[in-house]
Amino acid sequence: AQSVTQLDSQVPVFEEAPVELRCNYSSSVSVYLFWYVQYPNQGLQLLLKYLSGSTLVKGINGFEAEFNKSQTSFHLRKPSVHISDTAEYFCAVSGGQGAQKLVFGQGTRLTINP
Amino acid sequence: GAVVSQHPSRVICKSGTSVKIECRSLDFQATTMFWYRQFPKKSLMLMATSNEGSKATYEQGVEKDKFLINHASLTLSTLTVTSAHPEDSSFYICSASGGYGGEQFFGPGTRLTVL
Repeated sequence: AQSVTQLDSQVPVFEEAPVELRCNYSSSVSVYLFWYVQYPNQGLQLLLKYLSGSTLVKGINGFEAEFNKSQTSFHLRKPSVHISDTAEYFCAVSGGQGAQKLVFGQGTRLTINP
Repeated sequence: GAVVSQHPSRVICKSGTSVKIECRSLDFQATTMFWYRQFPKKSLMLMATSNEGSKATYEQGVEKDKFLINHASLTLSTLTVTSAHPEDSSFYICSASGGYGGEQFFGPGTRLTVL
């Protein structure tokens, strides 16, 4: 079975400061990892994904994440945040690239303060 | 590309009535669709997986007779909440997969409120 843990339920950050949202996973098989963003009363938008290859993955809106197999982590980072980055962020894992089930973490609420 | 729509975006109904939510893939053929439920300030919980032309596979603890899923075509899946009760009030999100390497594309969600 797979599971995802997002260690921080809420992360407050000042505008233009860097941010890191933590994600750890557990799985007995090779995994594919995803970060999604959800704005209020909306569905999920894919920020980035790791399927294979380079462990540093760059996504939309200036976000990036690094896959660390030894630490079973996939932390999301952005060097300088904007007010518009205020949202809920979800880390997710699946067991394959096909239409596999996604297992989501609990979510991290990122709040950007001016 | 890869747009998924849901209808309605918001619905309020009386207890005991049934509500149908549609999920459509607008620009690709979705061989698999997923239905999720999200409680306030919580993560997404997978309810069921549906493949076009076959019966849905429900997650443990999800009542298949209460949450009827139909995936009749490659662009449409429906979720019907039968005999809805206030505890069924939630945000329901669908996703569709079938193109672009199997990635799931999410709909905007449907807010269901049962009075």
